[in-house]
Amino acid sequence: TQLLEQSPQFLSIQEGENLTVYCNSSSVFSSLQWYRQEPGEGPVLLVTVVTGGEVKKLKRLTFQFGDARKDSSLHITAAQPGDTGLYLCAGSRNSGGYQKVTFGTGTKLQVIP
Amino acid sequence: NAGVMQNPRHLVRRRGQEARLRCSPMKGHSHVYWYRQLPEEGLKFMVYLQKENIIDESGMPKERFSAEFPKEGPSILRIQQVVRGDSAAYFCASSRGQGSSGYTFGSGTRLTVV
Repeated sequence: TQLLEQSPQFLSIQEGENLTVYCNSSSVFSSLQWYRQEPGEGPVLLVTVVTGGEVKKLKRLTFQFGDARKDSSLHITAAQPGDTGLYLCAGSRNSGGYQKVTFGTGTKLQVIP
Repeated sequence: NAGVMQNPRHLVRRRGQEARLRCSPMKGHSHVYWYRQLPEEGLKFMVYLQKENIIDESGMPKERFSAEFPKEGPSILRIQQVVRGDSAAYFCASSRGQGSSGYTFGSGTRLTVV
């Protein structure tokens, strides 16, 4: 059973369109991160959200942490080809005496020029 | 320090050989994590180390796999007697604290077993 489920798994859109990626779990997290990974490279941290209901913006990207800290969403406005990549959410929670981070299943985004 | 350094970037091994993957964390980071990634899939946790100690190895196979993070030098992920199923990208990440604020990842080592 996957702790963090992301949807959709794959997304192909035209440049200029808007999109939302979801990250859902039945578990409560103390914090949640979003990463973007490009082919052949490691994931790069985009944002960390900590407080339930928190909203953070990074240029055209808007991140929201659910009120109950069980889910999160990433909204991209006017997608650009440079947004293409694998988007991963990751949740942190206390497990075995430390803050263990678990990654989601990933959403592969392709933005067509 | 440019970030988390992993080497080699690509590694080809024949079945039965040993693979050694190295990871130098960011300066000031004492927490290291190893993840494995198959094509089109997310990251699977393998092991978490903090200078000379293994904190959590629950994601690492009991046989053939081992990891260390010595007092001096890089962290090493060692795979003995590799099999085709070990082919994957292996990523190392580091953090200053326990990582709840996020990790810094290396560029990965792509292991191919032939």
